[in-house]
Amino acid sequence: DTAVSQTPKYLVTQMGNDKSIKCEQNLGHDTMYWYKQDSKKFLKIMFSYNNKELIINETVPNRFSPKSPDKAHLNLHINSLELGDSAVYFCASSPDGNGYTFGSGTRLTVV
Amino acid sequence: SQKIEQNSEALNIQEGKTATLTCNYTNYSPAYLQWYRQDPGRGPVFLLLIRENEKEKRKERLKVTFDTTLKQSLFHITASQPADSATYLCALDPMDSSYKLIFGSGTRLLVRP
Repeated sequence: DTAVSQTPKYLVTQMGNDKSIKCEQNLGHDTMYWYKQDSKKFLKIMFSYNNKELIINETVPNRFSPKSPDKAHLNLHINSLELGDSAVYFCASSPDGNGYTFGSGTRLTVV
Repeated sequence: SQKIEQNSEALNIQEGKTATLTCNYTNYSPAYLQWYRQDPGRGPVFLLLIRENEKEKRKERLKVTFDTTLKQSLFHITASQPADSATYLCALDPMDSSYKLIFGSGTRLLVRP
């Protein structure tokens, strides 16, 4: 059983489109996150949710909107995609901030 | 400014030797520090967590040290194997109640057979 699963794995889309990435965890963790990994492999926090409540929004453009329908799911919706949004997006979860479990990533390419 | 620094140059070692990776941080006072492994095309995988009151932590062939005076953590892999080749990331909690980990940029380890 996959602990943190995110879909799709690859996403190629044109500038200006709107897209969503879904994430689900079956670990019973209270906290979920979205991270962005750029071409230089630097992992940067975007959002964190604790028990469905937004805790962090790290200077992310408001074109990015996370939604947590329940504790096991954290989806990411992106409006009006730009070339600079191309990156790998990772979902993760943790129990009280320790030992994150990451998904396998969604490689987003905006053309 | 706050920084987490790992050696950006790849570490290239012979199989069987000990690999030592360094993580230095500036202007943070973390209660703990974590190490992750990332393989190409995969998400990071949690390896070890060490708390500020722990000088050393071991797990099988892995050993982590944490020196809060030097603001440094060292990550050792003993008897390294080609399968240990990956990028290793250190991460810390900035202790601002923000529920986030700040990651270093990682060091790529290559173990030659």
